[in-house]
Amino acid sequence: QSVLTQPPSVSGAPGQSVSISCTGSSSNIGAGYDVHWYQQLPGTAPKVLIYANTNRPSGVPDRFSASKSGASASLAITGLQAEDEADYYCQSFDTTLRGGVFGGGTKLTVL
Amino acid sequence: QITLKESGPTLVKPTQTLTLTCTFSGFSLRTSGEGVGWIRQPPGKALEWLAFIFWNDDVRYSPSLKSRLTITKDTSRNQVALTMTNMDPMDTATYYCGHRRITAAGFYFDYWGLGTLVTVSS
Repeated sequence: QSVLTQPPSVSGAPGQSVSISCTGSSSNIGAGYDVHWYQQLPGTAPKVLIYANTNRPSGVPDRFSASKSGASASLAITGLQAEDEADYYCQSFDTTLRGGVFGGGTKLTVL
Repeated sequence: QITLKESGPTLVKPTQTLTLTCTFSGFSLRTSGEGVGWIRQPPGKALEWLAFIFWNDDVRYSPSLKSRLTITKDTSRNQVALTMTNMDPMDTATYYCGHRRITAAGFYFDYWGLGTLVTVSS
């Protein structure tokens, strides 16, 4: 049971948009800690997609965006492409655990 | 350019102690603010943060594994080691080390190693 809750799976056709939610609590996202998003392609290490709630590292397409509100955050992907098929994880800091916490991951399928 | 690489045994027996090493370049744990963490991922499952070590020798552990983990650093060799005692088949996972980047309200891992798969089996 992960501390941050994500839907197990989402899907969309090429060109469509999808969003992935990440729900935390008052000891992590709700306490004001930043949310970060990672993309993990099959058989590879995670790669940071969004850091500090809304920021894209250089090289990440602007089709990827994220937001945060209260104890939740959301990753949006527009103009879906086959190469976006991957697992996506949110991550934050938890003041009770005094360390990092991850979501359970969401598998994106591009139909 | 920051790089990290994990190394260690690929197979350990139940009850044995696992020691993994993360060798990195592109930064120094002598530098204020720097930190390295370990994360694991059982096959087909989610990521789990395990431990941190910081430039000032401060360490943090996942509360659920704290009694079994020890993280240390060798600044001269640019290495961080993670020791996990009393290994169990449920500890079978890919173990990653990552470079910690601080944000205004938290941190994230901006660089990751490729990971090393550790299987626990007799």
